[in-house]
Amino acid sequence: DAGVIQSPRHEVTEMGQEVTLRCKPISGHDYLFWYRQTMMRGLELLIYFNNNVPIDDSGMPEDRFSAKMPNASFSTLKIQPSEPRDSAVYFCASSQGQTQYFGPGTRLLVL
Amino acid sequence: KNEVEQSPQNLTAQEGEFITINCSYSVGISALHWLQQHPGGGIVSLFMLSSGKKKHGRLIATINIQEKHSSLHITASHPRDSAVYICAVRSSGGGADGLTFGKGTHLIIQP
Repeated sequence: DAGVIQSPRHEVTEMGQEVTLRCKPISGHDYLFWYRQTMMRGLELLIYFNNNVPIDDSGMPEDRFSAKMPNASFSTLKIQPSEPRDSAVYFCASSQGQTQYFGPGTRLLVL
Repeated sequence: KNEVEQSPQNLTAQEGEFITINCSYSVGISALHWLQQHPGGGIVSLFMLSSGKKKHGRLIATINIQEKHSSLHITASHPRDSAVYICAVRSSGGGADGLTFGKGTHLIIQP
């Protein structure tokens, strides 16, 4: 298996623009997680899905953030409108059981 | 919410030294994870513990549930062990919930 796939790997955008991050989990995994990592706050859980259904989105910082999982092999995290404080590395992870497998991350810079 | 504390924050050691990284948490957990983040940013799951001790190669992880404490040990450390080591916990309550992370320990092993 190719592991968890994220795209794009890097994104630079201007404040106010819409940003869409994509994730393909490992086939057969029924949990998908979105995390954000910043220097100040470290890693934080944003939202997670079980069998494509959002279970806990309490970590989503604001209404500007939304996540979807239309099927078992694809999820998106959207920021609209983006702000400079959204600059971070966004990780997607998937699991089937206890161990989570992380994607390579998307490094987002909002100018 | 579980508070996860790691120590030390930074550690520099010489090749061959025995390394210990500590993690404590505030609320009962169902599992504790040790993750390794490489200088390039990728995150790898090293261990998942709910009790006792696990060993993989030169890495050993222990957990004391009563004292809410875990340690990660590296024997015969090598420069390639240089990375950020992150402790993460899943609070009690069942399900594959998302993780709460410590701030990480930056480890540098000098040749």
